[in-house]
Amino acid sequence: DAGVIQSPRHEVTEMGQEVTLRCKPISGHDYLFWYRQTMMRGLELLIYFNNNVPIDDSGMPEDRFSAKMPNASFSTLKIQPSEPRDSAVYFCASSLGPWGTEAFFGQGTRLTVV
Amino acid sequence: SQQGEEDPQALSIQEGENATMNCSYKTSINNLQWYRQNSGRGLVHLILIRSNEREKHSGRLRVTLDTSKKSSSLLITASRAADTASYFCATDTGRETSGSRLTFGEGTQLTVNP
Repeated sequence: DAGVIQSPRHEVTEMGQEVTLRCKPISGHDYLFWYRQTMMRGLELLIYFNNNVPIDDSGMPEDRFSAKMPNASFSTLKIQPSEPRDSAVYFCASSLGPWGTEAFFGQGTRLTVV
Repeated sequence: SQQGEEDPQALSIQEGENATMNCSYKTSINNLQWYRQNSGRGLVHLILIRSNEREKHSGRLRVTLDTSKKSSSLLITASRAADTASYFCATDTGRETSGSRLTFGEGTQLTVNP
């Protein structure tokens, strides 16, 4: 398996634009997580899914952020409109579940909003 | 807010020495996990210790868990330059019905000098 695949690896966009980050989890993993990493706040859990259903989205910072998982092999994190303070590295991770199993991380998407 | 807090924030040692990193947390956990992150890369799972375990080994890694003190330590023995990375503890406060919910600490930056 190629692991968790995220795209794009880097994204530079202008303030106000819509940004869509993509993630393909490891096949067979029932859980998918979106994290954001910044120097100031470290790694923050934004949202996670179980069997394509959002379980906990309490970490999503604002209504500008939305995440979907239309099927078991694909998820998106959308920011609309984007702001400079959204600049961060966004990680997607998946795990086999249930609780007590390790999470496998993608390489991340480095987002810069100018 | 971060559940786990690592100590020290940065550690610099010579190759061959042992490196010890500590993690403290606040709430009850199901398990605690340690991850490694190389610069510009995603996180890689190192080891998981369950709440009913006190010590675990994996190669040159030794992890201890003291639930009464809400703390854990990661020991890397006979360090190598390739061990240079950031190390994060992650506490799993998930439930059996909802799956893992990992909350990461701020990490310890380990530098191993050749």
